[in-house]
Amino acid sequence: AQSVTQLDSQVPVFEEAPVELRCNYSSSVSVYLFWYVQYPNQGLQLLLKYLSGSTLVKGINGFEAEFNKSQTSFHLRKPSVHISDTAEYFCAVWVGQGAQKLVFGQGTRLTINP
Amino acid sequence: GAGVSQSPSNKVTEKGKDVELRCDPISGHTALYWYRQSLGQGLEFLIYFQGNSAPDKSGLPSDRFSAERTGGSVSTLTIQRTQQEDSAVYLCASSLDFGRETQYFGPGTRLLVL
Repeated sequence: AQSVTQLDSQVPVFEEAPVELRCNYSSSVSVYLFWYVQYPNQGLQLLLKYLSGSTLVKGINGFEAEFNKSQTSFHLRKPSVHISDTAEYFCAVWVGQGAQKLVFGQGTRLTINP
Repeated sequence: GAGVSQSPSNKVTEKGKDVELRCDPISGHTALYWYRQSLGQGLEFLIYFQGNSAPDKSGLPSDRFSAERTGGSVSTLTIQRTQQEDSAVYLCASSLDFGRETQYFGPGTRLLVL
């Protein structure tokens, strides 16, 4: 069964510093990977997704992620964070076989300190 | 255009009562999804609709949970005889089509069972 592991439940970072949020998945079939962001008291919003093609995917708000098949990872990065990036970030994998659904990781709470 | 809307935004109920949660998807979106977000549990997939049909109901936590969708639009998630463990944020999402399409999330309904 497909699963998603976000290795850090909380990541504190200073403003303008770089950040990497880690995500690993387990799957024996083709994967489609997503990063969603949830700002306080809001629903989830798509940051970026990997379906096929280039392994480096660029998303909104200056975020990017790299699909690494050999390491089964899809880490999210931003070179310089802002206070407004404070939110919870969810990695997800689309399960296209059996019970077709989007499986989410547990989430990483990113806190930006001034 | 309008995004996914959910009502009510907050619901407080007593144990044993029934509750109905409503989701209005983005117009033209054929697929609709329900998730539950609990503290420490992450995002849990409940059910999806393709049009008015729900092919897989195995994600519903118990037979107290049911969902329907009418006219290929509005969906209602009903919880009968609510229990305290049902307390969570219930999120609805819709996508243009079913599959690896981007899901657009509503703001959620925060349910508290006393």
